[in-house]
Amino acid sequence: DAKTTQPPSMDCAEGRAANLPCNHSTISGNEYVYWYRQIHSQGPQYIIHGLKNNETNEMASLIITEDRKSSTLILPHATLRDTAVYYCIVNNNDMRFGAGTRLTVKP
Amino acid sequence: DTAVSQTPKYLVTQMGNDKSIKCEQNLGHDTMYWYKQDSKKFLKIMFSYNNKELIINETVPNRFSPKSPDKAHLNLHINSLELGDSAVYFCASSQEPEKETQYFGPGTRLLVL
Repeated sequence: DAKTTQPPSMDCAEGRAANLPCNHSTISGNEYVYWYRQIHSQGPQYIIHGLKNNETNEMASLIITEDRKSSTLILPHATLRDTAVYYCIVNNNDMRFGAGTRLTVKP
Repeated sequence: DTAVSQTPKYLVTQMGNDKSIKCEQNLGHDTMYWYKQDSKKFLKIMFSYNNKELIINETVPNRFSPKSPDKAHLNLHINSLELGDSAVYFCASSQEPEKETQYFGPGTRLLVL
């Protein structure tokens, strides 16, 4: 069983920010939060990860709450190519992918 | 160059056969993994392996066995294939287990008839 919960689906308008939430209330102190995405028929692709602080890279931003029980992945300007299933994972030796959030970016 | 590659991309075979899927990574990583994605799209880890340790997901039948001829390769052997083995199998690698980004291959789509 995954250690995270995510909404099953979300829509976003092209060019707008996509905010994908994730709850990980049982996270332990040394566990990182990872985000991956899977575009149809392809292998999962790493997006970003963090421990306590907010993180930003060329793909996205990751906002982690102070109690670390939840996080939000932000795609600042979503494009049609960002349509994918997004997985939030609390990493340990046993990477457990849940059902993820199916993000659909619409024109 | 492809970082993590798998062959074949598609595999169609009869029940009861033995088959192998190959995985190679050119990232110089120490740890490799095999995942299974079933028809419901859940991605489950099967094995993680580095030069020190093989970690097996206890739910994986012993018909599945990983073989690593060297650090860059982790092949998946499947004996006595069953209908329920039909799925997409992904190979991945990372520098170290835990706390490290995993890089995934393109997947092998296995169909058992």
